[in-house]
Formats: sequence, structure tokens, C-alpha cells
Amino acid sequence: SQQGEEDPQALSIQEGENATMNCSYKTSINNLQWYRQNSGRGLVHLILIRSNEREKHSGRLRVTLDTSKKSSSLLITASRAADTASYFCATDAYSGAGSYQLTFGKGTKLSVIP
Amino acid sequence: DGGITQSPKYLFRKEGQNVTLSCEQNLNHDAMYWYRQDPGQGLRLIYYSQIVNDFQKGDIAEGYSVSREKKESFPLTVTSAQKNPTAFYLCASSPGARGYGYTFGSGTRLTVV
Repeated sequence: SQQGEEDPQALSIQEGENATMNCSYKTSINNLQWYRQNSGRGLVHLILIRSNEREKHSGRLRVTLDTSKKSSSLLITASRAADTASYFCATDAYSGAGSYQLTFGKGTKLSVIP
Repeated sequence: DGGITQSPKYLFRKEGQNVTLSCEQNLNHDAMYWYRQDPGQGLRLIYYSQIVNDFQKGDIAEGYSVSREKKESFPLTVTSAQKNPTAFYLCASSPGARGYGYTFGSGTRLTVV
């Protein structure tokens, strides 16, 4: 089942601009994670934010989490052409029978134009 | 360098054939996962294993089988029962079952010919 949904599906910006991607989800979560995928490659883990955290930074990345609205955002500041990739949010939540699953959204495709 | 190795990078399967995708990690991670990625569909969980000699079905396990005889290895077999196997397959691992980011391999692209 698809838990997280990213918005927008695609985003095109000029180099140097900021890029904001949003993720909404439906059930209570343990944590939320963001990943990057370059075309035809595996995913790379960017950042993990726990359900009791509201904001987290890593270099040019800023992630916020609003558990009351069941939403998260990923901000990439001062974007570079190398940031061109698909970005996925993933929610870590209880999936039944005593187990937890990391469920991925469909991703936002970011294009940074030099 | 520690990481996950998936092989082969490209795989072609004839109708009715079983094929096995390899996934090996040297990160000493307990948990391993197999995902399938179709265009515009995001990632869907096929199987996961939290410990050696144990594994559970994910959301789309039908037509697939796995084994976890060693901590380092989690091979995925795509059987002839999988009617639409053409996809990009991703293996991942994490130190434990909860609260960790996943490390992904570079993927295997399977095509039915």
C-alpha cells in the first residue's frame, strides 16, 4: 500500500533557486525519511526525521515534519545541476502482525537547469 | 568500502523461466529487503528479512521467492508464476528493522523477452 504521496510530481527550476517538495501520509509513523534516486540507479538515503522532531538540517537540505497535518517537506537550498534526480519520501509505520515497513511514495522528479 | 552489490545489472528472461537476482552486503546489517520499481509507481516491497533464516512477505510477494541462509546474502528468485516480471529490482539493507535509513544497491533491470 502507498503511504506517502509527494507533491509536485515534477519540478523544474533554475540553478541557484530553492526547491521545495512535499509529502503527505495517512497513518501514524515512527519516522519519515527522504531519499534521492538518479536515473537508473539505486536510492540514496538523505535524511531521517523522527515523529517527535519538527525540523532537521543536513547541509543544503532542510526537512520539516508536521504530524498533526501528516505532512513533511524537503527544501533544497541553492540548487545545483547535480541535484537533478527523483526524490522520494518514505514512512516507517506499523504494518500489522508485529512488523514495521518502510513505504515509499511515487516521488518528485526535480530538474535543475544550469 | 562497505556497501550492497546487486548482480547482474541487466537480466533477460524467457517466458516460463525462473531467474535469480543476487544481493550481497558487507555492512553487517541484520535486515535486508527487496523492492520492485515500475515507472511512475514508486517502490513496492516484495520480501524482507529481519534476521538470518527468517523472512516475511511484503505487499507483492506472489510469484517471487527468497532465502536468507547467510547474513550477507538475500537472493530473490523471480518464478514463472510472476506474470509481469519486467521491472527494476532494488535490494536494500539496514542495521535493524526500525528507525534506520536503508542502504540500497544499484539495482537489476529485468526484462522478459
